[in-house]
Amino acid sequence: DIQMTQSPSSLSASVGDRVTITCRASQTISNYLNWYQQKPGEAPKLLIYAASTLQSGVPSRFSGSESGTDFTLTISSLQPEDFATYYCQQSYSHFRSFGQGTKLEIK
Amino acid sequence: EVQLVESGGGLVQPGGSLRLSCVASGFTFTDYWMSWVRQAPGQGLEWVANINQDGGEKYYADSVKGRFTISRDNAKNSVYLQMNSLRAEDPAVYYCARDAWMQYYDLWGQGTLVGVSS
Repeated sequence: DIQMTQSPSSLSASVGDRVTITCRASQTISNYLNWYQQKPGEAPKLLIYAASTLQSGVPSRFSGSESGTDFTLTISSLQPEDFATYYCQQSYSHFRSFGQGTKLEIK
Repeated sequence: EVQLVESGGGLVQPGGSLRLSCVASGFTFTDYWMSWVRQAPGQGLEWVANINQDGGEKYYADSVKGRFTISRDNAKNSVYLQMNSLRAEDPAVYYCARDAWMQYYDLWGQGTLVGVSS
């Protein structure tokens, strides 16, 4: 099975900050990597798919990149509504897997 | 409206069974793989199972293999999760999700809560 390792597990930042969350796959997954945002009491929301493609309606301050088996989600300028938990997920294998999540909190 | 609506959650005893349902609307159900994803209280997301468009391909997480069965009824635009031999580690919110182009989950239901307690 493909393991997805996210870091950090939690992050404190301020409005306007640039933040980066990293996800590492245990094997090659090409660009089959997606990012989701989840707020308390809500279902996850797709932000980015295929490592770097922004889902329709998602603000352009969100971006994704890849380098081998390392993937990055960047928020260029944090807004109050961005404080949430973020998950990466691989879709290279039929046996899907998620990272453990990164909780982004207000400093 | 494009949506997924889950139902069937509840509280069961250890070793008991429960059947979750997810009804899709607003899109061509037969175009998509479908998945179940769960989230234990205060924990992260865990993929549970997925099924292809005609129900002929199914995959399960090791944690549920042999106990849970995913199925679908395309005439009813529905996907199901039959959960048997429920354990103390199975309580969670169970989400139904649409697997767009077998690449990403672009549509999620609101979730249904499953509890296991004696």
